[in-house]
Amino acid sequence: GENVEQHPSTLSVQEGDSAVIKCTYSDSASNYFPWYKQELGKRPQLIIDIRSNVGEKKDQRIAVTLNKTAKHFSLHITETQPEDSAVYFCAAKWDSGGYQKVTFGTGTKLQVIP
Amino acid sequence: NAGVTQTPKFQVLKTGQSMTLQCAQDMNHNSMYWYRQDPGMGLRLIYYSASEGTTDKGEVPNGYNVSRLNKREFSLRLESAAPSQTSVYFCASGGPGASGYTFGSGTRLTVV
Repeated sequence: GENVEQHPSTLSVQEGDSAVIKCTYSDSASNYFPWYKQELGKRPQLIIDIRSNVGEKKDQRIAVTLNKTAKHFSLHITETQPEDSAVYFCAAKWDSGGYQKVTFGTGTKLQVIP
Repeated sequence: NAGVTQTPKFQVLKTGQSMTLQCAQDMNHNSMYWYRQDPGMGLRLIYYSASEGTTDKGEVPNGYNVSRLNKREFSLRLESAAPSQTSVYFCASGGPGASGYTFGSGTRLTVV
């Protein structure tokens, strides 16, 4: 099965600085990589995703990059704001036996210091 | 369009009691999932259902049972609750291709 490793587990940045979270995956069959943000006491919510045939995707202050050869992908948040403080999960998705299964990383707790 | 609806939001059980967590989705997804999330930890898959009528064990299935009642509904049952099952439970559903999961709002379960 798929194995997704995520680091760092915690990350503190000053407001306005950039934050980078990195993930690696093991199964080359994975073809879709979503990122989720989970605020305290709330459900994980999809914030950005990237398909395996795309190297980079950007949405305002967040961007995701994918290196298929090296099997790693990263989340970049620029100009961080206090409301970016949350736990972020990366994930890798593949189709197996007729269904879709997502394997999550262990999460990164991001703290943005005002 | 409600997405994924999960009930109840909170529950306190005594050791040995049973309960069922309900989940329903209106996105016409084939696949549905139950996860648990312990404090400071990630999401661990309990059971999943690839399609109506099928269910399979995930990473931590012991002490749980599931029922895929129809395409919309996927319930999780604790037959005899234990303190180790104190956790936040999330239901999720997913579609094919380049689409992520949609999560329910979660159930915070405490077993005393």
